[in-house]
Amino acid sequence: DTGVSQDPRHKITKRGQNVTFRCDPISEHNRLYWYRQTLGQGPEFLTYFQNEAQLEKSRLLSDRFSAERPKGSFSTLEIQRTEQGDSAMYLCASSFPQGVGEQYFGPGTRLTVT
Amino acid sequence: DAKTTQPTSMDCAEGRAANLPCNHSTISGNEYVYWYRQIHSQGPQYIIHGLKNNETNEMASLIITEDRKSSTLILPHATLRDTAVYYCIVRDAGFGNEKLTFGTGTRLTIIP
Repeated sequence: DTGVSQDPRHKITKRGQNVTFRCDPISEHNRLYWYRQTLGQGPEFLTYFQNEAQLEKSRLLSDRFSAERPKGSFSTLEIQRTEQGDSAMYLCASSFPQGVGEQYFGPGTRLTVT
Repeated sequence: DAKTTQPTSMDCAEGRAANLPCNHSTISGNEYVYWYRQIHSQGPQYIIHGLKNNETNEMASLIITEDRKSSTLILPHATLRDTAVYYCIVRDAGFGNEKLTFGTGTRLTIIP
């Protein structure tokens, strides 16, 4: 399968713990995006990378959130000191760099903070 | 803020054409119309996009009105696997406008 992959698919953690999610984009894509989706809502943009450079961050990305893409391939999203409000589906997408390129999404990581 | 308006839900009989409307009355000249869908518990899936001409691919057709203020996604022969939430999104294709802004979409249910 050459699509976008995410790991883990599900994560249950206790409030206050740190969690890290991984995204592996489609290999030819140099743009990578993170979105968050809560129940009943559409996905909300968090941040995106072109190669290893993080070019935009949403206001939703508080200081407890950090994303990296150190070698321009896979990316990680870390949430420190998790809160119950962080419970959501975290989606990763990738695309080619052309302006109208469609984004291809992974299956998501569902985070539950108890 | 989402720039599109879609009905909350729609039903369609299996085998019939599903026509999903979208209003984007404030669309600007550089903005494309994209359609994605999300089947339960999966990531969104790209369907089609267009600027001003009608577009067709193996999944669907996109009809954009001449004034570009609205569009319709057409699934020609709906199957049960087309049951999903369908999102209509407008996005400027210029550099620096990378994010997709999703609304709440239309929940399409295909009835056997």
